[in-house]
Amino acid sequence: EVQLVESGGGLVQPGGSLRLSCAASGFTFRSYSMTWVRQAPGKGLEWVSYITRSSTTYYADSVKGRFTVSRDNAKNSLYLQMNSLRVEDTAVYYCAKVFCDAECYPPSDWGQGTLVTVSS
Amino acid sequence: DIQMTQSPSTLSASVGDRVTITCRASQSISSWLAWYQQKPGKAPKLLIYKASSLESGVPSRFSGSGSGTEFTLTISSLQPDDFATYYCQQYNTYPWTFGQGTKVETK
Repeated sequence: EVQLVESGGGLVQPGGSLRLSCAASGFTFRSYSMTWVRQAPGKGLEWVSYITRSSTTYYADSVKGRFTVSRDNAKNSLYLQMNSLRVEDTAVYYCAKVFCDAECYPPSDWGQGTLVTVSS
Repeated sequence: DIQMTQSPSTLSASVGDRVTITCRASQSISSWLAWYQQKPGKAPKLLIYKASSLESGVPSRFSGSGSGTEFTLTISSLQPDDFATYYCQQYNTYPWTFGQGTKVETK
């Protein structure tokens, strides 16, 4: 059974940093691209970042230069380093896996999410 | 960036109704469109990918259609478990973008 478990969320002051983790199990982690999606309280979904199997990365403009996505295939883990946090980064952050063969498919397995609150 | 616009934002319906949600892309995304269902406090659930392909395990009352810039999600006969918020998402180009959501509520 595929499991994605996010951790590392919490309360942080504006300008601070936080590192989210996503522990993966039940599938061959190194064979999948991974993505982060967030959802501000009471709002819609917003794509944040994406990392391919070979660690090529992509970011939303709203986080580019402040967030860094990485992976450790030996630990079956995905990370999101978030720096220079803003109040508007407050959200539940989900990790999800993405299968690609000849084409890429949208994420079908998601974690339960971890809440990041940026407030003074 | 590609903008995704869903309509309506809220839809009031009854069990057994046929429900249609529309999603428009600001430029062509071919068929690289997904539909998700989300319930409060839960992660999104993938329903449809590549505009019209049904994800494994999703009931056949859900269907998707369209290509280019106009897409629809149809629920042929609304069931009690279907009251939720639905999102479209384009994965043609980075940054991936979502529609603002359509809440299906009880009439």
